[in-house]
Amino acid sequence: GESVGLHLPTLSVQEGDNSIINCAYSNSASDYFIWYKQESGKGPQFIIDIRSNMDKRQGQRVTVLLNKTVKHLSLQIAATQPGDSAVYFCAENNDYKLSFGAGTTVTVRA
Amino acid sequence: SQTIHQWPATLVQPVGSPLSLECTVEGTSNPNLYWYRQAAGRGLQLLFYSVGIGQISSEVPQNLSASRPQDRQFILSSKKLLLSDSGFYLCAWGGPGANVLTFGAGSRLTVL
Repeated sequence: GESVGLHLPTLSVQEGDNSIINCAYSNSASDYFIWYKQESGKGPQFIIDIRSNMDKRQGQRVTVLLNKTVKHLSLQIAATQPGDSAVYFCAENNDYKLSFGAGTTVTVRA
Repeated sequence: SQTIHQWPATLVQPVGSPLSLECTVEGTSNPNLYWYRQAAGRGLQLLFYSVGIGQISSEVPQNLSASRPQDRQFILSSKKLLLSDSGFYLCAWGGPGANVLTFGAGSRLTVL
């Protein structure tokens, strides 16, 4: 079965607000995590990654938080824009193979 | 820069017909190559991965097979398609020792 899962399948957010997407993982030995964004009909695109020896990493408008104690990962998107509407997946890397959760569909309201 | 190509982009095939999806990577050598399948509204399931020419590992038992005839070419095949083979197939590559995979645009297969 899947070792990575997301808490909510859908998220509706007002344009300009911040978005928080959550993910729980089960393999405590995982040492690398990635967030991907998938637009309709396209392949997933890399957003940001984090190693297990970190608890926070920031990119452009995005921040990933890792809580190894509760095996929880989150993606924060600042000032959400219409172009952020997509499905977001967290993935964990085990032996150079990625395991994905089911994804969270983010819809941005104008 | 590296690029990954998948084709065909869409395919409609009858049950029992053969399948061949092709993936090629440019701008890198000795990549790790992967085939994933995505059912509607679901996450990605790893089907096959390869760390070198002729080296294929299968993750799940199924009606599909994979081959890597050249360093940067990965092919997904079936001799006889089933209805359950319908889905969105994604090829991905990663550098040796790399943790991040880069995905192609995908091939949507509909089996009727």
